[in-house]
Amino acid sequence: AQTVTQSQPEMSVQEAETVTLSCTYDTSESDYYLFWYKQPPSRQMILVIRQEAYKQQNATENRFSVNFQKAAKSFSLKISDSQLGDAAMYFCAYTAGGSEKLVFGKGTKLTVNP
Amino acid sequence: DAMVIQNPRYQVTQFGKPVTLSCSQTLNHNVMYWYQQKSSQAPKLLFHYYDKDFNNEADTPDNFQSRRPNTSFCFLDIRSPGLGDAAMYLCATSRVMVAGGPLNEQFFGPGTRLTVL
Repeated sequence: AQTVTQSQPEMSVQEAETVTLSCTYDTSESDYYLFWYKQPPSRQMILVIRQEAYKQQNATENRFSVNFQKAAKSFSLKISDSQLGDAAMYFCAYTAGGSEKLVFGKGTKLTVNP
Repeated sequence: DAMVIQNPRYQVTQFGKPVTLSCSQTLNHNVMYWYQQKSSQAPKLLFHYYDKDFNNEADTPDNFQSRRPNTSFCFLDIRSPGLGDAAMYLCATSRVMVAGGPLNEQFFGPGTRLTVL
C-alpha cells in the first residue's frame, strides 16, 4: 500500500525567511502524482503545487517550489519569502496514475512569526 | 466563480438523530468525494462517486451513506450519529478526463463542522 510520511508535525519560520517542509512516500508504481495542499485555519483546503513523477524538472509556483527526489522518494516543499498568510496546515498527498483517490500525509502545521 | 459549496457550514445534532450534509458544485466535475477530518488530522476518505458509480472505503462504517442524484449534488447521510462522528466533513470534486488518466487536482469545499450532543 502506498504511504505518505510527513515527519514534522509543526514548523515555524520568521516572516520573509525560507522554510522547507519534508515529505516522503512509498510506492511501487512508476506512474504517480504528488501534491502539496494548504489548509489555513477555518478555511478551505487549496492546492499549492503539483508534480508529475515522469517530469524531472521540479515544479514551481511563485514563492513555492518543490525538491522532487524520485529515487529517494522524497518530495519537499520550499516556501520562500514567507508571509503571514502562509500560516496553515500543509498536507503532502500522493495518487497513483489511473487512481482518482489521494493518499494524504498527516500534515505539518506551519507558523509564521512576524 | 465555479466552486464547491457545502451546506450547512455548521450542524448540531443529537446523539442518534439522523443528519444529512449537502454538497454542490458548479465545476461539472465527474468525481465527488466525502472526507471526514478530525482536529489536526489528515482528511480520511469515506467514499466517492465516479460519475454514478459509488465507491465505498473498506473501513467506512455502515452508519455513513451517500447519494448523488445528479452531477452537481452529493449528500452525506449519517443514520445514527455517535459522539465519535463529531468532525469536519469535507466535500471535494475532481475531473478525471478518461478512465485510467491522470488525476486533476481535487477542489475542496469549505466543510461542514458537525457537533453531536
